[in-house]
Order: sequence, then structure tokens, then C-alpha cells
Amino acid sequence: SQKIEQNSEALNIQEGKTATLTCNYTNYSPAYLQWYRQDPGRGPVFLLLIRENEKEKRKERLKVTFDTTLKQSLFHITASQPADSATYLCAPHNYGQNFVFGPGTRLSVLP
Amino acid sequence: GAVVSQHPSRVICKSGTSVKIECRSLDFQATTMFWYRQFPKQSLMLMATSNEGSKATYEQGVEKDKFLINHASLTLSTLTVTSAHPEDSSFYICSASEGFMNTEAFFGQGTRLTVV
Repeated sequence: SQKIEQNSEALNIQEGKTATLTCNYTNYSPAYLQWYRQDPGRGPVFLLLIRENEKEKRKERLKVTFDTTLKQSLFHITASQPADSATYLCAPHNYGQNFVFGPGTRLSVLP
Repeated sequence: GAVVSQHPSRVICKSGTSVKIECRSLDFQATTMFWYRQFPKQSLMLMATSNEGSKATYEQGVEKDKFLINHASLTLSTLTVTSAHPEDSSFYICSASEGFMNTEAFFGQGTRLTVV
């Protein structure tokens, strides 16, 4: 069955550093991979989508890579700020299929 | 982006009663809506997928008679938790997609259900 893993349950980094979150999947060949941000007690908010034929996608301080050989996506936040503290969820999926979310990584950016 | 409104944000009910949660797409027509359940410090678990005008498709292990889903219009889906028990206490979240071909999902704010 499909399995999605995200590197660690929690990640603490210092303000200004780059946060790197990992999403690994098995038994799966997704055509897309999405990253969402979820704040406590709130629904997830869409951040970025990357397609299987794209190696890298950027949006402001965010960068996502997608390696279909390694079955892995990396999510980077550069110049991190305390406001970036949240849980980040990855969701690899195929066209028209339902979303399956990873367990999430809780990021804390320390001032 | 598109807005999905979920109501209520919090509800406390007595064991044995039923609770209805509404999910509305405010500025687009949602052909498909999804209902998720999330326990503390865990990821979202898909409960069911509903398409406007047809019966919902439930995920394995989700009781369709307990979690009634109605998607009567392109902007409204409801989830009714019937005969609620304390173990049904959870965070319920809906999401909506503009169409089968669309790949981005827009999420509601979530509903914290507490059954006492």
C-alpha cells in the first residue's frame, strides 16, 4: 500500500536559517506533489505544487524539489522567520485521485 | 485563492445526539468535496468523497450510516455525525475542488467536535 513519510515529527531551527523538510513515498508513482501549511486548529493552506517533470519550483522564500527516482520531495524555507512555525504536510497524488497526506512535520523557528 | 467556509468552528454535544457540519465554497462551484478527520498530532485522514448530486464514496473503515454526507448543491456539502459518542470527538475538515481535473484543494477552517 502507499506510504508517505516526512522526515521528522518536529524540527527546530534558528531564525534566519534555512529549514529543509523531507517527504518520502513508497509503492507510489505520483504525477504531482503538493505541500500544505497547517496552523493549530486550522485547516491546511495550499503552498506549492510540483509536477513529476519539474525538478524544482520556487515561490518567494519557498523552494520545492521533486526527485521521482529517489521518490522524494524536499521543501525548503530560506531566511526562516518565527511566523513560519507551523506543521507542513506533503501530499503526493495522481491526476484526479484523492489526496493522501503525509503525517506532517511540525516546524518551530526560534527567535 | 478560492474560499471554503466551514461551520461551526467548534461544537460540544451530548452523547447520543447528532451534529451537522456545513462546508460551503464561497466563490466557486465545487464539483467534489472531501471530508477529513484529524486526531491530535496526526495527519488528515480522508473519510469520504462527495460529488454533487450523487452518493458519497466512503473510505474503508468509515461507517456510512454514522457519518452522513449530503452534497446537494455545487456550493454546499454537509457531514452529519449521528448518535455521537465521545470517541467521535475530533477535528473535522472539509476541502473542495473546482472539478475533477483540478489539482489544488481548498480547505475549510475545520470543526472541533467534542462529545461529552
